[in-house]
Amino acid sequence: GQNIDQPTEMTATEGAIVQINCTYQTSGFNGLFWYQQHAGEAPTFLSYNVLDGLEEKGRFSSFLSRSKGYSYLLLKELQMKDSASYLCAVRDGDYKLSFGAGTTVTVRA
Amino acid sequence: ETGVTQTPRHLVMGMTNKKSLKCEQHLGHNAMYWYKQSAKKPLELMFVYNFKEQTENNSVPSRFSPECPNSSHLFLHLHTLQPEDSALYLCASSQEGAGGGETQYFGPGTRLLVL
Repeated sequence: GQNIDQPTEMTATEGAIVQINCTYQTSGFNGLFWYQQHAGEAPTFLSYNVLDGLEEKGRFSSFLSRSKGYSYLLLKELQMKDSASYLCAVRDGDYKLSFGAGTTVTVRA
Repeated sequence: ETGVTQTPRHLVMGMTNKKSLKCEQHLGHNAMYWYKQSAKKPLELMFVYNFKEQTENNSVPSRFSPECPNSSHLFLHLHTLQPEDSALYLCASSQEGAGGGETQYFGPGTRLLVL
């Protein structure tokens, strides 16, 4: 099967920056996704990377290095509403999507 | 609101009951998925339907039976479940192109408790 690792929990202060790392080992690669999931709600799409480099979307940015099997999601100017679980998902060579267990981010005042 | 709805949102059932979960997508997508999400574990893909045809069954026990009558509706029929089947069941949809694999949009899930 596929192997996708991300930290279980992270805590940061309102207004700060947090970086969530994701490493993966898959059979082939056809893109990496980040989703945000608030407790009791649907995962919502945040970003997609298929080429190396940084994709920026407002306060959120996502980076990919395919040679290193590595991605990170950067959350800037943290707000209380950013407290959620962040899921890293990788699409393999057969276009199957596999998820990490998620990183729970807690933003404190 | 992602355009994918699921009912019921919460379900408690005994091990001898039969129930069904429903998913509907309003996005015009051609692929639909069932996932199981247990606490602290990665989402587990259960079934995939592409153009109403089941294209994947990830070794899911037969007590889970999917049904896809059209590209907008997906059901998961449940019978004689076990307590370990208690989890959040998520439905998702996507528009699959020739290369396969576009962004998946999720419904809010059904929180299932098996007693």
